[in-house]
Amino acid sequence: SQQGEEDPQALSIQEGENATMNCSYKTSINNLQWYRQNSGRGLVHLILIRSNEREKHSGRLRVTLDTSKKSSSLLITASRAADTASYFCAGLSGGYNKLIFGAGTRLAVHP
Amino acid sequence: DTEVTQTPKHLVMGMTNKKSLKCEQHMGHRAMYWYKQKAKKPPELMFVYSYEKLSINESVPSRFSPECPNSSLLNLHLHALQPEDSALYLCASSQEGGAITGELFFGEGSRLTVL
Repeated sequence: SQQGEEDPQALSIQEGENATMNCSYKTSINNLQWYRQNSGRGLVHLILIRSNEREKHSGRLRVTLDTSKKSSSLLITASRAADTASYFCAGLSGGYNKLIFGAGTRLAVHP
Repeated sequence: DTEVTQTPKHLVMGMTNKKSLKCEQHMGHRAMYWYKQKAKKPPELMFVYSYEKLSINESVPSRFSPECPNSSLLNLHLHALQPEDSALYLCASSQEGGAITGELFFGEGSRLTVL
């Protein structure tokens, strides 16, 4: 079962625009992580936000976490064609190492 | 470049074959994972090893048999697979604290096709 549900499922934007992806989850979490996956490749960790944090930044990435609404968002500012990928949120579900992924958002950034 | 190495990158096998997928990491991580990913779907957790012991099995069919010979290696033995098992198989590792404290490092995956 999936820990997170992402919204939107697919997003198409122009270079330079911002991209916002949302993730909602069902159970309590210790942390929430975001990963990126280029087509057919492995996943790359982007950022981790802990349950006692509300916002975190890393370069052009901004992640927010609202534990009361069980939701998180990933903002990519000033997007580039190279940002084209699938983005997944992931949270721990019922186990120390049981990291479960959301459905993902497929982002396409057009030059 | 990823520090988790998976071999082979591509594998085609018949339903009666026996094959293995291999994963190696030299980051000193003590937790290792197998995920299965179908096209346009998220990775689905299959197995987790912690300190070379199987700690999580997500009710995976016995035709998939994991093995952790040592702290750097993780294998997935495949036998009598079905065409619906065709997928990208991803290996990952993490530090001692596991996913609760940090990130998972993924390999590039092994693309499996079952004929």
